[in-house]
Amino acid sequence: RKEVEQDPGPFNVPEGATVAFNCTYSNSASQSFFWYRQDCRKEPKLLMSVYSSGNEDGRFTAQLNRASQYISLLIRDSKLSDSATYLCVAAPPGTYKYIFGTGTRLKVLA
Amino acid sequence: ETGVTQTPRHLVMGMTNKKSLKCEQHLGHNAMYWYKQSAKKPLELMFVYNFKEQTENNSVPSRFSPECPNSSHLFLHLHTLQPEDSALYLCASSQGIAGGNYEQYFGPGTRLTVT
Repeated sequence: RKEVEQDPGPFNVPEGATVAFNCTYSNSASQSFFWYRQDCRKEPKLLMSVYSSGNEDGRFTAQLNRASQYISLLIRDSKLSDSATYLCVAAPPGTYKYIFGTGTRLKVLA
Repeated sequence: ETGVTQTPRHLVMGMTNKKSLKCEQHLGHNAMYWYKQSAKKPLELMFVYNFKEQTENNSVPSRFSPECPNSSHLFLHLHTLQPEDSALYLCASSQGIAGGNYEQYFGPGTRLTVT
């Protein structure tokens, strides 16, 4: 089983739609979680950290479900500019290892 | 953004060449990382340095040799590479360890092609 698993997609959604991605992690001791966005041939850019209580930043909401070992990302009112690959990251405690998923590709269509 | 810079941005080298990648972070972070990203694969951690000390070497072949002279600079020395080493090499930094909820910031990467 992969340490961090994501549905590769692509998710094709129309502008204005709401889309949600899930990401599962295998190490139940993982304590830190993040979502990154990566555009084609560019570096990953931090989108948001995921806290136990969940967090929201504008149209983006991230949730953590420790019992089921997954994190989610919800994007509301999708924009064309949201088209990218979204990377899920989990970090076990006491290490320097950030474990990346392979990413979920999102295409927002006009 | 200029938090983490990398040079060169593109590099083409033959299998017998020796080259170096450079990374510099301007964020005052203590940890720096090298990752390899190949097509259709997740980011692969190569090396981690914390306060200039190497803390992780993820079974990377010896043809890749890291150097961290101080907390702001990181190099990756390359020699006798193979075509399968062609990839995007990303540098990143963070204030502290991964499990402490410290966010990681990436440079723009060096796109390496080995011919």
